[in-house]
Amino acid sequence: ETGVTQTPRHLVMGMTNKKSLKCEQHLGHNAMYWYKQSAKKPLELMFVYSLEERVENNSVPSRFSPECPNSSHLFLHLHTLQPEDSALYLCASSRQTSSPLHFGNGTRLTVT
Amino acid sequence: GQQVMQIPQYQHVQEGEDFTTYCNSSTTLSNIQWYKQRPGGHPVFLIQLVKSGEVKKQKRLTFQFGEAKKNSSLHITATQTTDVGTYFCVENPTGYNFNKFYFGSGTKLNVKP
Repeated sequence: ETGVTQTPRHLVMGMTNKKSLKCEQHLGHNAMYWYKQSAKKPLELMFVYSLEERVENNSVPSRFSPECPNSSHLFLHLHTLQPEDSALYLCASSRQTSSPLHFGNGTRLTVT
Repeated sequence: GQQVMQIPQYQHVQEGEDFTTYCNSSTTLSNIQWYKQRPGGHPVFLIQLVKSGEVKKQKRLTFQFGEAKKNSSLHITATQTTDVGTYFCVENPTGYNFNKFYFGSGTKLNVKP
């Protein structure tokens, strides 16, 4: 068990759909992250939340909308995605200060 | 984002051979971390290096942090098939107030039995 749970594990959606990815951490961490991992690129940092405040938006298109209602939960709302958005989306958490990342198992997203 | 160069991109070795991956940054780093991702899995933290010139060992794995805190290496002695996976260095640049971790491109290791 990783201590970070992501749902769903797999998601197939059309370009006009709206869906949400969910992440929950049970580690008492204060920071949470969304990363995108696609086949031909390194892991890309998308968003960082620290104490429920967004502190990084790494030039991510507005069709991705994060939400962090509390320090244990993180969502990624998806709408009008493109096929090139198909990837593995990984959630991670860490303590506040430069501590290791704990990843969830990821959501494998396919946009048709 | 940050530029984290990691080489080689791929490495195929015979079981029992050694393996090394290198990570170079254009900026001075606060610390550097190493992660391993098995095929079909998620990245798992291996170690964090903080001090200039630091060397840490985990069984057959040896991690080094450069004197200038701009480069790092991971060396595996006598590889085993369980070492298969992609190894990432992750930089945390100096001057940042919040946790921002930038992954290198990774080195994919394949070990032939």
